[in-house]
Amino acid sequence: KAGVTQTPRYLIKTRGQQVTLSCSPISGHRSVSWYQQTPGQGLQFLFEYFSETQRNKGNFPGRFSGRQFSNSRSEMNVSTLELGDSALYLCASSRGQGSAEQYFGPGTRLTVT
Amino acid sequence: SQQGEEDPQALSIQEGENATMNCSYKTSINNLQWYRQNSGRGLVHLILIRSNEREKHSGRLRVTLDTSKKSSSLLITASRAADTASYFCATVIYNQGGKLIFGQGTELSVKP
Repeated sequence: KAGVTQTPRYLIKTRGQQVTLSCSPISGHRSVSWYQQTPGQGLQFLFEYFSETQRNKGNFPGRFSGRQFSNSRSEMNVSTLELGDSALYLCASSRGQGSAEQYFGPGTRLTVT
Repeated sequence: SQQGEEDPQALSIQEGENATMNCSYKTSINNLQWYRQNSGRGLVHLILIRSNEREKHSGRLRVTLDTSKKSSSLLITASRAADTASYFCATVIYNQGGKLIFGQGTELSVKP
């Protein structure tokens, strides 16, 4: 069974630009969550989607948004990039039972200059 | 703020030794999970322990959970150089779906 895939793997953007990251979950998984990892703040929850609905949202500004498609694939968007948005963005999928174990993708390394 | 705190922040041992990492959390949980991360890559799920369980084993891993103390420990027995990684505990709180709240992690180095 293929794992969680994320594209692109690396990205360099300039302040003020916007970026879209993509995540394809494991086949059959209906829940997708996004996390941001930085050296200073560690791993922080961004949002969780289940059956195209946002089920949970972390404490991030409105510049961070996401969506999920009918095939469970998900995208997250960050607008008006700031230097502090430089991070590893991780996507995770699960069967959608709420508190089940999650399977993570390799992440997208975003650098904002 | 982080739900969990991990201790120690870094641990260096020799191959064959056991490694113990501890995790404390603040609020009541549905379950607690441990993950491993190699060099800034994706996280790998290791083990999940539910709030009504006290101990769980998986291969060389042993996890305990003490809900009265709001703490958990991960024991890796007979460590190998390949176990070198960062280890994170993550809690799932009741009525918050699948949201994982991570600790800061323990960086384990196993020297051959």
